[in-house]
Amino acid sequence: DAKTTQPPSMDCAEGRAANLPCNHSTISGNEYVYWYRQIHSQGPQYIIHGLKNNETNEMASLIITEDRKSSTLILPHATLRDTAVYYCIVRVRSAGGTSYGKLTFGQGTILTVHP
Amino acid sequence: KAGVTQTPRYLIKTRGQQVTLSCSPISGHRSVSWYQQTPGQGLQFLFEYFSETQRNKGNFPGRFSGRQFSNSRSEMNVSTLELGDSALYLCASSVDRGYSSYNEQFFGPGTRLTVL
Repeated sequence: DAKTTQPPSMDCAEGRAANLPCNHSTISGNEYVYWYRQIHSQGPQYIIHGLKNNETNEMASLIITEDRKSSTLILPHATLRDTAVYYCIVRVRSAGGTSYGKLTFGQGTILTVHP
Repeated sequence: KAGVTQTPRYLIKTRGQQVTLSCSPISGHRSVSWYQQTPGQGLQFLFEYFSETQRNKGNFPGRFSGRQFSNSRSEMNVSTLELGDSALYLCASSVDRGYSSYNEQFFGPGTRLTVL
């Protein structure tokens, strides 16, 4: 699975959009970008994933650059409850061998939303 | 639909003891993965079970083991506990329809293990 690089921390004002970048310059053609977040003392929570097109769901939007070497997770109207560690993970969608059930987490970005 | 449940939520053991942690996946989910989270190493994959079989294993010593039952519930066991085993142990379940496709994992709240 490709490695990812994320800023260690970011701040955001409540009600504003939070844009969390992720660099994955060595991503392969069959690898997807996944985002999870972990609120303090809870298990990680799936947010969104994508291959090459931009994706949106009720939680967030995912923008992937045309060359797929980087992406941005957008929380359109951040709230205090969005304060968490956000993990960008790149992996193949197909399971098999050493991929079964495995997510490789980096250090993530600590997002702090302040009033 | 109930989420992933883990028991117990907190546990204190002493060095040399063994411990068993339990995980009940979301109904209908057949894959269960286990992770260890520590401040120094972050989130690390332990192993994954599907249909009572271990399909994948992370880089942990043999003191860490697990199993899965026919109802998809899973347990993990750590024998001869060491101080460094103090961690948050997370389990995650996912739908696995038997064909080659990764499905999103849903995590439980974790078991906080402290080894004294």
